[in-house]
Amino acid sequence: QKEVEQNSGPLSVPEGAIASLNCTYSDRGSQSFFWYRQYSGKSPELIMFIYSNGDKEDGRFTAQLNKASQYVSLLIRDSQPSDSATYLCAVNDYKLSFGAGTTVTVRA
Amino acid sequence: SAVISQKPSRDICQRGTSLTIQCQVDSQVTMMFWYRQQPGQSLTLIATANQGSEATYESGFVIDKFPISRPNLTFSTLTVSNMSPEDSSIYLCSVDLQAARGPGGYTFGSGTRLTVV
Repeated sequence: QKEVEQNSGPLSVPEGAIASLNCTYSDRGSQSFFWYRQYSGKSPELIMFIYSNGDKEDGRFTAQLNKASQYVSLLIRDSQPSDSATYLCAVNDYKLSFGAGTTVTVRA
Repeated sequence: SAVISQKPSRDICQRGTSLTIQCQVDSQVTMMFWYRQQPGQSLTLIATANQGSEATYESGFVIDKFPISRPNLTFSTLTVSNMSPEDSSIYLCSVDLQAARGPGGYTFGSGTRLTVV
């Protein structure tokens, strides 16, 4: 499987702050990228996908992709306690390869 | 989005026995995927199941240990055979909706939490 690396956590941010999650991938030919959120004891839930270089915004979430640097990130603006979860970066080459995940805790 | 039903949701099994996990999707999909998530770890792909052909296994996973069936475009099973405590994990099925409905990513079933004693 392709290598997908995420910044080590856990990441603790105060409520209302921006949480920044980073991910790098090894295969320069990878085309599509996903961010999943996984609450404890639950299955992963897709929150963002991105295919093109640049930024993609969806509500409080922004995904950023830089294929030249093989880097994808997720920003969570105005973080809420309900955002506390593990965030998984995944690279899709006809099957998903996941990073180890970053656990985010939003402090009220 | 598609509904994926996975069962059982959890089980406690004796070592040396086998457990079959079922995954039912409410729409036809070409590929179904089986993942394992060991405690505190990320997801690892076990195999890809296509209807009408043998499943494709990832490195480190073999058919004798994890036989898979894919009898039609909405259903698949994964069997964990001759279980040992090291098989205690969450097993998840997943489908790719992209081909059928446009960009949508992969959807996961609710998972099967397996404990082997």
